Amino acid sequence: EVQLVESEGGVVRPGGSLRLSCAASGFTFDHNGMTWVRQVPGKGLEWVCGISWNGGSEGYADSVKGRFTISRDNAKNSLYLQMNSLRAEDTALYYCARVRGSGWSNYFDTWGRGTLVTVSS
Amino acid sequence: EFVLTQSPGTLSLSPGERAALSCRASQSMSRSHLAWYQQKPGQAPRLLIYGASTRATGIPDRFSGSGSGTDFTLTITRLEPEDFAVYYCQHFGRSPIAFGGGTTVEIK
Repeated sequence: EVQLVESEGGVVRPGGSLRLSCAASGFTFDHNGMTWVRQVPGKGLEWVCGISWNGGSEGYADSVKGRFTISRDNAKNSLYLQMNSLRAEDTALYYCARVRGSGWSNYFDTWGRGTLVTVSS
Repeated sequence: EFVLTQSPGTLSLSPGERAALSCRASQSMSRSHLAWYQQKPGQAPRLLIYGASTRATGIPDRFSGSGSGTDFTLTITRLEPEDFAVYYCQHFGRSPIAFGGGTTVEIK
């Protein structure tokens, strides 16, 4: 069974940092691009960033560019999101998702359950 | 900026009725770059349709997608109780990847 499990989020002060991880299982991890999508509770979906199968290509939403960094470790079947300079507006449920194909721009065929990040003083 | 506009915001229907959800793009786009997702309360989104009209694995045939250019539609022919949810369209042909604002299909 294809499964994506995000690490526990948490509460962070504005300006602080947090690293999320996503453990993948049930498929050959280095065959797919991966992505992060977030959702403010009760609101819509917002794409955050994506990474190609080998980490050679990345894409970011303007709202997080320069503050967030996506990475992956194929040997560990893991995806990461390093979030720096966090703002209140980054408060959301963060989903890890598998991208169809090897790049980062495609549809998302499997999603994790999400992890809540709260930025508050 | 590429924008997807979904309408209506909320659709109130009864089980057995037909639902038609619209997704309009701010610029013409390739059909192959349009996907639809379903999200139920407390759950992650689930892929329904990709390439504008291809159903994902395990998706019932009461769900269908159509459209081209700037106008796309998700149709649910006969609503089942489990179909009441929020639906999002997505474009991924260019960066940034965009989602529509969503349409809520609620029980009338």
